[in-house]
Amino acid sequence: EPEVTQTPSHQVTQMGQEVILRCVPISNHLYFYWYRQILGQKVEFLVSFYNNEISEKSEIFDDQFSVERPDGSNFTLKIRSTKLEDSAMYFCATAGTSGRNHEQYFGPGTRLTVT
Amino acid sequence: AQSVAQPEDQVNVAEGNPLTVKCTYSVSGNPYLFWYVQYPNRGLQFLLKYITGDNLVKGSYGFEAEFNKSQTSFHLKKPSALVSDSALYFCAVRAFTGGGNKLTFGTGTQLKVEL
Repeated sequence: EPEVTQTPSHQVTQMGQEVILRCVPISNHLYFYWYRQILGQKVEFLVSFYNNEISEKSEIFDDQFSVERPDGSNFTLKIRSTKLEDSAMYFCATAGTSGRNHEQYFGPGTRLTVT
Repeated sequence: AQSVAQPEDQVNVAEGNPLTVKCTYSVSGNPYLFWYVQYPNRGLQFLLKYITGDNLVKGSYGFEAEFNKSQTSFHLKKPSALVSDSALYFCAVRAFTGGGNKLTFGTGTQLKVEL
């Protein structure tokens, strides 16, 4: 069964550093999403991406965050200058040809620890 | 704004007994409703969805959920629980009109199935 994969599984970084989280979507999926889950809290939407542009973003997704699909396969989330409160599990999700009707498939997540 | 409530942080049930995990939602317009399960150190796995049609939807691993529009509920059920069902369960909603494709999650319910 096709799966969404994410790398790295765990990233430790110092405050102020840049991090890039990577996701390989399920082949032929066209809708891409990032969510995060701070320890002990609910899963929160960050951003959705379709046709090489952001289609929606949350208040959390400020100027420190960016997304891109640089090579047509990987989907990345960049945090330019990490803060302590960015520590969380970050999940990539992808959906099929019609995002509104299709369920989103989640990757295993990247645990980001900012020290 | 759309929201999901999962009133129980934890549900305990004996193996072989039926289980119910509760979910209520609030959304403008008709909802798309989803259940996901999260095992330790794993991503969110899709269980089932309600888009339209029959109020009782069946999903993976013998789970089902009943959509009740008047009570704005979408409770997850299984006739006979297994120890292997022990995991964290998330209910999620997406608006049928507006709100993009983002999922809004509940806080999760920890299901513990004991022998």
